[in-house]
Amino acid sequence: SQKIEQNSEALNIQEGKTATLTCNYTNYSPAYLQWYRQDPGRGPVFLLLIRENEKEKRKERLKVTFDTTLKQSLFHITASQPADSATYLCAPLRADSWGKLQFGAGTQVVVTP
Amino acid sequence: DTGVSQNPRHKITKRGQNVTFRCDPISEHNRLYWYRQTLGQGPEFLTYFQNEAQLEKSRLLSDRFSAERPKGSFSTLEIQRTEQGDSAMYLCASSLEGRGNTEAFFGQGTRLTVV
Repeated sequence: SQKIEQNSEALNIQEGKTATLTCNYTNYSPAYLQWYRQDPGRGPVFLLLIRENEKEKRKERLKVTFDTTLKQSLFHITASQPADSATYLCAPLRADSWGKLQFGAGTQVVVTP
Repeated sequence: DTGVSQNPRHKITKRGQNVTFRCDPISEHNRLYWYRQTLGQGPEFLTYFQNEAQLEKSRLLSDRFSAERPKGSFSTLEIQRTEQGDSAMYLCASSLEGRGNTEAFFGQGTRLTVV
């Protein structure tokens, strides 16, 4: 069955440093990979989408990579700020997906001043 | 506010009672999804509508759960004879029609506590 794994331990990082999160998937070949941010008690918020033919995608201080050989996506937050503290969820999707999301458990990021 | 709206935000109920949640999606979105999330886990898919048609229901979903989307607008999720294991955050999301390249817009969720 399809499996999605994200770092289960919280990532504690100092303000200004780069946070790097990992999303690994097995037993399927997604054509897209979405990343969401979730704050406590709130619904997830879409951040970025990367396609299988894109190696890297950037949006402001965020950078996502997608390695279909390693079956892995890396999510980077550069120049991190305390406001970046949240849980980050990845959701790989197949080409025939109609939008149904299967999420990893998420990685909590804590940025300290 | 034109985002996804969910009501109520919190619900505490006694075991065995029925509860109903409501979701109002973004008006131009024809797809609507329900997810359930427990502490420390990502949201888990429950069911999906395209307009008023319920096209998929998770195999994990008990027969005590039912969802509707009359007229393809708002949706309701009902849980009958609630159990303590139903305690979770119930999230609704909507999106435009598309494939995996379509972003989902989530509501704030309804936090259910079964005592």
